[in-house]
Amino acid sequence: GESVGLHLPTLSVQEGDNSIINCAYSNSASDYFIWYKQESGKGPQFIIDIRSNMDKRQGQRVTVLLNKTVKHLSLQIAATQPGDSAVYFCAEPPGRYNQGGKLIFGQGTELSVKP
Amino acid sequence: GAVVSQHPSWVICKSGTSVKIECRSLDFQATTMFWYRQFPKQSLMLMATSNEGSKATYEQGVEKDKFLINHASLTLSTLTVTSAHPEDSSFYICSAHSNRLNQPQHFGDGTRLSIL
Repeated sequence: GESVGLHLPTLSVQEGDNSIINCAYSNSASDYFIWYKQESGKGPQFIIDIRSNMDKRQGQRVTVLLNKTVKHLSLQIAATQPGDSAVYFCAEPPGRYNQGGKLIFGQGTELSVKP
Repeated sequence: GAVVSQHPSWVICKSGTSVKIECRSLDFQATTMFWYRQFPKQSLMLMATSNEGSKATYEQGVEKDKFLINHASLTLSTLTVTSAHPEDSSFYICSAHSNRLNQPQHFGDGTRLSIL
């Protein structure tokens, strides 16, 4: 759900390690989820998405896992690199159906990669 | 493909002036454009949804007379912050969506607005 006003949690990992970023959602009717990456001073960039009829989806070095039972979404980044340092947001449509592309953003997590 | 351009990227102006921010979809026609506001270390807050040729739909708590949105074409939406004051200083981000592309929103790179 919407998390305006809350400050970002942070995750610090060593270069080469795997990163796991978590997101909890509240709407059990949600059927589509997206992960965005936002670098400092830029707009969000699409990373990967997943529909509720799937539990897992893989991209290049990224995997999204969806656990509908506990309404939890995670983004796994393999072999984290310094260029992965950014804020990561999960997002979902506000209702069950795509309302013309409208999205509500989660709180976000700031990922910091140590060399 | 699916590039969204936002201009200007950074603006500083005096209190009381009005500031216009442009959002363009460069290589696709956007069915809908969205305007967000983001404070430091916080998430994106949706301000309004804009459809071409119709009035924008504002989220609760967003003053429509303060934040004027015009969506004159399928590739351009503008946000005008009227009579801006220091509390309006923020990072404003637009995004564009096309029903035809079957893709989620594509974002511009934001506008850093500083009101002195």
